[in-house]
This record gives sequence, C-alpha cells and structure tokens, in this order.
Amino acid sequence: DAGVIQSPRHEVTEMGQEVTLRCKPISGHDYLFWYRQTMMRGLELLIYFNNNVPIDDSGMPEDRFSAKMPNASFSTLKIQPSEPRDSAVYFCASTLAGGLYEQYFGPGTRLTVT
Amino acid sequence: QQQVKQSPQSLIVQKGGISIINCAYENTAFDYFPWYQQFPGKGPALLIAIRPDVSEKKEGRFTISFNKSAKQFSLHIMDSQPGDSATYFCAATSKLAAAGNKLTFGGGTRVLVKP
Repeated sequence: DAGVIQSPRHEVTEMGQEVTLRCKPISGHDYLFWYRQTMMRGLELLIYFNNNVPIDDSGMPEDRFSAKMPNASFSTLKIQPSEPRDSAVYFCASTLAGGLYEQYFGPGTRLTVT
Repeated sequence: QQQVKQSPQSLIVQKGGISIINCAYENTAFDYFPWYQQFPGKGPALLIAIRPDVSEKKEGRFTISFNKSAKQFSLHIMDSQPGDSATYFCAATSKLAAAGNKLTFGGGTRVLVKP
C-alpha cells in the first residue's frame, strides 16, 4: 500500500488567498484525521471523519477553515482567507475502526502564508 | 481533563545513554497509551503502545513503564543511538465509543543523541 498521500507537500501563498490541502487515506480505512503542527502548539487535532461523515470539528480554529470528505478515498482541508498565523505543517492520518491507537500519518503539507 | 502533559520538551543524550520521557494524564477513561516517533520532514509513526493492565512493555531498546495509580507513563530508550534522534509524542485514547479513535497527544519531546 502507498500509505496516506498528501498534496501538495509545500505550499507558499499570500495572505488572503484560498488554500486547499488534499489527502488520500489508506484504502479500506474508515477514519480520517486532520492535524496541524506548530512549534508553539504542538500537534493539534482539527477535525476527523468516520465513513466520510465529520464527527468532531471542535479543533477547527475558526470559520476560515473547512474540511470535506466527498468519498472514502479523498478529503480536503480549505483555508479561506489564509493568514500568516496559519503557517504550519498540516497532517492527514487514517485508521481502521478498532485500530484505536494506530493512526497512519501522511508526510504532511508545509504551509507558509506570507 | 483531556490533556496529556509531556516532559521534558527536549533532551540531549550521549550515544549509548538512556533517554527518558515522561507523560501524565488526568482522564481516567484513557485505556490505551501509544508513543509516536517523528523524524524531521516526516509524519509521526507508531513506535510502541501499552494498555493499563500491564506495568511495563519492552520492544527492543524501547520500554514503556506505566503507573496507573499515579496516572503516569514513560518511555525509556536504552543504548540510545544517533538514529533515535527524533521527536517523540506520547498519546492517550479510550475504547469508549465517544472517543471515536481520537488520540490526545502530549506536547512532544525532541531527542538529540550525540555520537
């Protein structure tokens, strides 16, 4: 299996622009998680899905952030408009129900907002 | 009550030494405690995990010690090697349906092993 795939790997954009991050989970996994990692705040869970349905979005920082999972093999995290404080590494992870602690992380997208 | 506190934030150890990372939790519903290892430029990956019905679990040079009454657990890296230089995260979760496979992560510890 190719593992969790994220694109792009790096994104540089100007403040105010829309940013879309993409994730393809491991085939057959029914949970998908979006995380944000910064030096100051560590690894934060933003939102997670079960069977394509958002279960908990309490970690989404504000309305500028939105996430969708239109099917079992694709998810997006969108920031509109982007701000410099959104600069971080964004990870997608997936797992199977019952897999509990074994989440499989993608390589991450490093976002820089200037 | 969902918080997992991890210390130290960073540590430097000589090759062959022991690295020790500590975590503490408050939520007594937590019943699975994994550790993740993250190399620069990579996503975290599961390293080792423990359930509270055992006090210790060892896999190679990595050992988790668990103290249920104190609500603390720790990772020991024996005979530390330069290749162990990474950031380590402790985490906790629960089998409860409400937890939904959600992990609560500690703040991370950056380990540097000097040759």
